[in-house]
Amino acid sequence: DAKTTQPPSMDCAEGRAANLPCNHSTISGNEYVYWYRQIHSQGPQYIIHGLKNNETNEMASLIITEDRKSSTLILPHATLRDTAVYYCIVRVADTGKLIFGQGTTLQVKP
Amino acid sequence: ETGVTQSPTHLIKTRGQQVTLRCSSQSGHNTVSWYQQALGQGPQFIFQYYREEENGRGNFPPRFSGLQFPNYSSELNVNALELDDSALYLCASSLDELAADTQYFGPGTRLTVL
Repeated sequence: DAKTTQPPSMDCAEGRAANLPCNHSTISGNEYVYWYRQIHSQGPQYIIHGLKNNETNEMASLIITEDRKSSTLILPHATLRDTAVYYCIVRVADTGKLIFGQGTTLQVKP
Repeated sequence: ETGVTQSPTHLIKTRGQQVTLRCSSQSGHNTVSWYQQALGQGPQFIFQYYREEENGRGNFPPRFSGLQFPNYSSELNVNALELDDSALYLCASSLDELAADTQYFGPGTRLTVL
């Protein structure tokens, strides 16, 4: 199962873009990259996912490198409510199994 | 709001007891997955059910078992509770058999084993 590596913590100024990196060097060709976030022990909240191409939705953008070994989640204008643990996850191909790592604790500061 | 609910919110049990946790999926979601999240860790996959059949399991012993019902509700049962079973238990629902689409998580049940 592909695993992910994320920095344990990051800070970001309110109103600035938050760029959260993730390494997934052993990802297989048909495995998706998902991002979830978890605020204060609530259930994880879906943010975005992608396979090969960059993706954007109302919450964030996902940039996946051409070799698919790493990706970056971008929150374009971080707010204090974006303070959370962000998980980069590889979904095992042909199953629903999500393999969570330790995540990155993002602290958005005023 | 994901439309996924879990009960109870909190639960305290003693070692050796049995516990049943409940999840109500979004209407129309035929797949439910259960995860265990220990304090300070990411969620760990326990198992997944599709149309009342288990179709995937993580590295958890048989004393962790589940049921899924036709009305989009499901249960996680844990027998012979151990202290290390103390965790936040999360369920997630999705539309298709392989949960290949987005999984939506409930708020979780906090289980404490004394």
